[in-house]
Amino acid sequence: DGGITQSPKYLFRKEGQNVTLSCEQNLNHDAMYWYRQDPGQGLRLIYYSQIVNDFQKGDIAEGYSVSREKKESFPLTVTSAQKNPTAFYLCASSLGYQPQHFGDGTRLSIL
Amino acid sequence: AQKITQTQPGMFVQEKEAVTLDCTYDTSDQSYGLFWYKQPSSGEMIFLIYQGSYDEQNATEGRYSLNFQKARKSANLVISASQLGDSAMYFCAMREGADNYGQNFVFGPGTRLSVLP
Repeated sequence: DGGITQSPKYLFRKEGQNVTLSCEQNLNHDAMYWYRQDPGQGLRLIYYSQIVNDFQKGDIAEGYSVSREKKESFPLTVTSAQKNPTAFYLCASSLGYQPQHFGDGTRLSIL
Repeated sequence: AQKITQTQPGMFVQEKEAVTLDCTYDTSDQSYGLFWYKQPSSGEMIFLIYQGSYDEQNATEGRYSLNFQKARKSANLVISASQLGDSAMYFCAMREGADNYGQNFVFGPGTRLSVLP
């Protein structure tokens, strides 16, 4: 089955530590996105990528970094510069004008 | 300024009744797309329905329909015959621009729908 796989489902970060969230898709979609969702809130765009080796900052990119070395993969690194990283992170992909497809999300907490 | 406004933080509906979730949007583009997603408590985002700005007919998908009023910049979601499983957060979203292939989507703040037995 085609879809988007996010891992891990739950992640804990220690102070001063970088962590990487994985997002893989086998839908052959060109565009991929990372969103952050705080409790009871909507989605805020962190980064998006339209093609391999290219990505743009979204509304809240500070403290995050991404790479897009392969079409299928768009990992998100939450750096130690992100002072309030506790949130639910959603990865999505899309093709042309089609709706975005989402992964099941990763819940990140601070130890 | 907010591009997507959902004025109802929470809504209640009796099982088997219809409910309308409001969404207004702001764009200067002529070509754009409007989407509704459902997010159950488990967290995944489920695509429900899509309306293109040039579509003359309102979109329908099973029990979901989109009441599109372009002049008012309104794209309300109507759920008919509500079921207990419809209890979730609902997000309205917009993608702007015909040339913005893969451009970022903008999401509204969401409406929490609770279906009462």
